[in-house]
Amino acid sequence: GAGVSQSPSNKVTEKGKDVELRCDPISGHTALYWYRQSLGQGLEFLIYFQGNSAPDKSGLPSDRFSAERTGGSVSTLTIQRTQQEDSAVYLCASSLAPWRAVYEQYFGPGTRLTVT
Amino acid sequence: SQQGEEDPQALSIQEGENATMNCSYKTSINNLQWYRQNSGRGLVHLILIRSNEREKHSGRLRVTLDTSKKSSSLLITASRAADTASYFCLIQGAQKLVFGQGTRLTINP
Repeated sequence: GAGVSQSPSNKVTEKGKDVELRCDPISGHTALYWYRQSLGQGLEFLIYFQGNSAPDKSGLPSDRFSAERTGGSVSTLTIQRTQQEDSAVYLCASSLAPWRAVYEQYFGPGTRLTVT
Repeated sequence: SQQGEEDPQALSIQEGENATMNCSYKTSINNLQWYRQNSGRGLVHLILIRSNEREKHSGRLRVTLDTSKKSSSLLITASRAADTASYFCLIQGAQKLVFGQGTRLTINP
């Protein structure tokens, strides 16, 4: 079946603008994760959804970052008033069940965000 | 930093040789997973080892876990050019998901 998809694949935006990144998980996967990968910080966990709720938001770097998930499927990560340090590849992953239940994660190809 | 530690940061070996990379962590874990990343984009799951396991094999991959030392190692045997990639451990604790900093593996023909 189809894997995790993300859109757009690349996004260039001006500093101060808002951006929305989209993730379509594998059908039937109840858990969804957002990560950020940048040169200086490596791979960072941002947020995790179980169904439509996010029990762990501790990884969001600031209150400019928010995420939602509707219908237990598609998720959007929104960054308001983007800053240059937000430039990174944003990766989404999904898994069959909550990470406490020990399942592998399937990653999307990522969205490369560049803030100019 | 919320990241686990991996070493070496970079490893360059000849095709056919074995490659070993290590991951250390600080918290108690539920499981530890290894992923491969090509070209700085999506990650591919390689192998998962649970906290009550000590060793697992999958093809040319062998993973060990030492919970007393809070460390894991990934061994790739008989390396191939296609194994050139970055390798990350993902540490799943009770409260946290943490990636290691990654090992960049280069296989020379």
